[in-house]
Amino acid sequence: DGGITQSPKYLFRKEGQNVTLSCEQNLNHDAMYWYRQDPGQGLRLIYYSQIVNDFQKGDIAEGYSVSREKKESFPLTVTSAQKNPTAFYLCASSSGQYPNEQYFGPGTRLTVT
Amino acid sequence: SQQGEEDPQALSIQEGENATMNCSYKTSINNLQWYRQNSGRGLVHLILIRSNEREKHSGRLRVTLDTSKKSSSLLITASRAADTASYFCATHHGAGNNRKLIWGLGTSLAVNP
Repeated sequence: DGGITQSPKYLFRKEGQNVTLSCEQNLNHDAMYWYRQDPGQGLRLIYYSQIVNDFQKGDIAEGYSVSREKKESFPLTVTSAQKNPTAFYLCASSSGQYPNEQYFGPGTRLTVT
Repeated sequence: SQQGEEDPQALSIQEGENATMNCSYKTSINNLQWYRQNSGRGLVHLILIRSNEREKHSGRLRVTLDTSKKSSSLLITASRAADTASYFCATHHGAGNNRKLIWGLGTSLAVNP
């Protein structure tokens, strides 16, 4: 089956630790995205990548880092510099250039205490 | 206020009734997209309507776009309990390197059996 997978579904970390969220797609999509969703809010774009080995900052990139070494994979690292990291993180991909119709993974809920 | 504002924020109806959600935006768009999100899950793309289109149908979904009023509506006919979800509109605007997708805060729909 084609789709986007995110792992893990739930993630718990202590404050001050970096954590990496996984996102993998087998849709052969060029573009991939990371969003953050907080309760009662819309999606906010963290980073996006339109091609392997290239990525751009979104609206709230501070405290996050990404890499795009393979077309299928776009991991997101939440660093200790992110002041309020507890949130629901969504990965998406699209076949065309940003920001076409997007396909989403199931999300990772990160809790930092 | 921000682009892609949906109203109402919450809607509760009985199974079989129609549900209408609205989305307003401020600046010109290339297209407008509607997505559904079940609780704690990723988003699912429902329909995309381009700026030169006025109406689009997909199954029980009907989307209209009025660019003069900068608004769109999503109608779900003959609703089912399985339609219970949050619905988001996303507006695509800009050109070249300034393209952006702006997300609204969503409408929470509850369909009661």
